[in-house]
Amino acid sequence: NAGVTQTPKFRILKIGQSMTLQCAQDMNHNYMYWYRQDPGMGLKLIYYSVGAGITDKGEVPNGYNVSRSTTEDFPLRLELAAPSQTSVYFCASSYSPGPPGAIYNSPLHFGNGTRLTVT
Amino acid sequence: TQLLEQSPQFLSIQEGENLTVYCNSSSVFSSLQWYRQEPGEGPVLLVTVVTGGEVKKLKRLTFQFGDARKDSSLHITAAQPGDTGLYLCAGAFAKTSYDKVIFGPGTSLSVIP
Repeated sequence: NAGVTQTPKFRILKIGQSMTLQCAQDMNHNYMYWYRQDPGMGLKLIYYSVGAGITDKGEVPNGYNVSRSTTEDFPLRLELAAPSQTSVYFCASSYSPGPPGAIYNSPLHFGNGTRLTVT
Repeated sequence: TQLLEQSPQFLSIQEGENLTVYCNSSSVFSSLQWYRQEPGEGPVLLVTVVTGGEVKKLKRLTFQFGDARKDSSLHITAAQPGDTGLYLCAGAFAKTSYDKVIFGPGTSLSVIP
């Protein structure tokens, strides 16, 4: 059971290039999330998905796109990379909280991150 | 903008010492979680507190949720090098989805043998 797997672990992009960060989970979780982590800023939610075919914006979605064609995979696409997108990106997943409806019954499982540098 | 503050930002102590780190907000949370993150890895959930005034213990770690559900503390007794890491708190404004969860910036703890 691998949990949440992210690839690549490191990447350097030039300004204006594009790339896709891959995320896969094998826990049959319905909910998946993308966060970015910047020093001293905590984790910020970029996009999330509550199931295959359904995605929604988080707090900082500009410059990113996602898709969710299967339960297992949730890739994050960066178009026209900018220096402001230099960060560590984490993918996470969880079960649906469901009735009685409490996220404390459904903890986040994180991958080990992708460190992206845009120069 | 809802904010979650953590203090201290950095903490370096000797093995065997006790320490407390804090998580504060002006907002009321429905629940609050603590995560530990080691270098090069993702955060791992330590505990979730739900009720105001609640205290939970996890071996040498004691977590407390404030009575007003606006703050929380993490106390570590007799710290060990294995406790080294970034401690993140995360407050939930709703019960049903992580899109209503905010993370604090973290406290970076270093325990020196």
